[in-house]
Amino acid sequence: NAGVMQNPRHLVRRRGQEARLRCSPMKGHSHVYWYRQLPEEGLKFMVYLQKENIIDESGMPKERFSAEFPKEGPSILRIQQVVRGDSAAYFCASSPGPYNEQFFGPGTRLTVL
Amino acid sequence: AQSVTQPDIHITVSEGASLELRCNYSYGATPYLFWYVQSPGQGLQLLLKYFSGDTLVQGIKGFEAEFKRSQSSFNLRKPSVHWSDAAEYFCAVGAVGGGSQGNLIFGKGTKLSVKP
Repeated sequence: NAGVMQNPRHLVRRRGQEARLRCSPMKGHSHVYWYRQLPEEGLKFMVYLQKENIIDESGMPKERFSAEFPKEGPSILRIQQVVRGDSAAYFCASSPGPYNEQFFGPGTRLTVL
Repeated sequence: AQSVTQPDIHITVSEGASLELRCNYSYGATPYLFWYVQSPGQGLQLLLKYFSGDTLVQGIKGFEAEFKRSQSSFNLRKPSVHWSDAAEYFCAVGAVGGGSQGNLIFGKGTKLSVKP
């Protein structure tokens, strides 16, 4: 039973480029959460999605960031026009429903040059 | 405001010694709590969880934690630490109600070093 998968594991972008991070939840899980981890910090919630719906995006920056979880395929976190401050580890977690334990993927480490 | 505090940034213990990592939370709604462990460059692995019932919960790798509502705490313990336990440990809190949609709030983590 595969766990949560994220790709790429490492992503390098130059300032102004776009970054696309992918997350495939565990089999049977339809709830996906994205978190960001800055150096020396804990994880900060960004967005919570179900299939084709954004449930809570209260942690998402207002500009340049978007997320989707289509009916088919992985969840995507998209960062447009990246800046150096976007460099961080981005983790995806999935759960079978709200208010459940969340299972985390290995993360995508984004470096913006 | 909702928050999770892990007062100890870095702890060093000798192998075989006991361990307690502290976690305090501030949450208006009924909380549920987790401890996760993260090795360098890796994702988070769930150690244990508390939703309701017995306030002393057992987890993997010999860890346990006790939920104390009166102290708003959920401290992690292990009676005898192994060198492989060296990692960073995160306490996380979720809540049913209180405006929460199911996301977790994390502490800043405690880095554990183990001396031989």
